[in-house]
Amino acid sequence: EDQVTQSPEALRLQEGESSSLNCSYTVSGLRGLFWYRQDPGKGPEFLFTLYSAGEEKEKERLKATLTKKESFLHITAPKPEDSATYLCAVQAHSSYKLIFGSGTRLLVRP
Amino acid sequence: EADIYQTPRYLVIGTGKKITLECSQTMGHDKMYWYQQDPGMELHLIHYSYGVNSTEKGDLSSESTVSRIRTEHFPLTLESARPSHTSQYLCASRDAVTGEQFFGPGTRLTVL
Repeated sequence: EDQVTQSPEALRLQEGESSSLNCSYTVSGLRGLFWYRQDPGKGPEFLFTLYSAGEEKEKERLKATLTKKESFLHITAPKPEDSATYLCAVQAHSSYKLIFGSGTRLLVRP
Repeated sequence: EADIYQTPRYLVIGTGKKITLECSQTMGHDKMYWYQQDPGMELHLIHYSYGVNSTEKGDLSSESTVSRIRTEHFPLTLESARPSHTSQYLCASRDAVTGEQFFGPGTRLTVL
């Protein structure tokens, strides 16, 4: 059964304190792994797509990496405006649906 | 920036009312989705569509129905709203080439 597990559930950081969020997945043939950011009361905002192990993508202070079993979202020198819930999702080759994890709630304090 | 729109953004109604949540996208995507999300909780897929005149139930059972008469439009209807339907409803469409799903801003529904 396709499954996505994110850890930690919640993470509190001081401004400038770098850290990583984890997304572990089990899927029958990965078509893509997706990272989203969601602010309270809003729809998820697309961040990255990763398609194969070893792939990396960067956007400002965020960097996403992918292995055959997990993905990491690295946050370098975070700022308070990076506070949000970060969602990971996977899509199998055989499906049109995304399987979402429960997310990591990130709080960055000034 | 994704061009996917949802109206209304907020809706407060009484029990038993019929409501329709609107979703439209201007990207020409064939595949569209409806998710339900309670505050601080996971997204649950309730409906999806492969294209015009194609709709399927999602993983989470829902009393709502959907229609897909035009590519750009994917409305969700509740025939008789109940307090248990109180939630946020998110619409999304998918790029067939990249697989990326783009979400609308959501409709926060409260049924009294």
